Amino acid sequence: SQQGEEDPQALSIQEGENATMNCSYKTSINNLQWYRQNSGRGLVHLILIRSNEREKHSGRLRVTLDTSKKSSSLLITASRAADTASYFCATDSPSGTYKYIFGTGTRLKVLA
Amino acid sequence: GAGVSQSPSNKVTEKGKDVELRCDPISGHTALYWYRQSLGQGLEFLIYFQGNSAPDKSGLPSDRFSAERTGGSVSTLTIQRTQQEDSAVYLCASSSIAGAGREQYFGPGTRLTVT
Repeated sequence: SQQGEEDPQALSIQEGENATMNCSYKTSINNLQWYRQNSGRGLVHLILIRSNEREKHSGRLRVTLDTSKKSSSLLITASRAADTASYFCATDSPSGTYKYIFGTGTRLKVLA
Repeated sequence: GAGVSQSPSNKVTEKGKDVELRCDPISGHTALYWYRQSLGQGLEFLIYFQGNSAPDKSGLPSDRFSAERTGGSVSTLTIQRTQQEDSAVYLCASSSIAGAGREQYFGPGTRLTVT
């Protein structure tokens, strides 16, 4: 079963607005990653946040992690049409092996 | 430098035939992962390698699926007696080593269609 689930499943915003996506997971983790998937461009790593971190920034991206609620959020500020993509969270497996479990993704559409 | 490459990019096969999908990881990356993504869905973990060994094969859907890695580099995912439900995009990723907090670099995927 999926370890991470994103919501909303789909999000449509205007260029310049902020986009927030959420990820919930089921068991304790060591770290959580966010990936972006553009049609035709494959999956690209965006940011990693460790379980002892609460917030992390990278350019227009801000990620928060609340281990007590087993949730993370990805905020994209001042969105651009090029941000249109699917966004996935990935959590390390609770089984102790070094694999990541990906969520179902949020499809973001930024309208110009 | 070169990223992760996969071949073929597209494969159409008839039900019941065997297929082999290939992944060339980034040079020097010891960890290699296989995932499957059905249309509009998330990624489903299949298997990962650390070097040539596969510590976790738990995601392989059935015994029709197998994977190997030789020389700590190229990996092949084999699907025997393909079924229509095997149709998906098969993604390969590599990371410098297997471990918590390691970024995975993904290939472009192989789109498999079973008719």
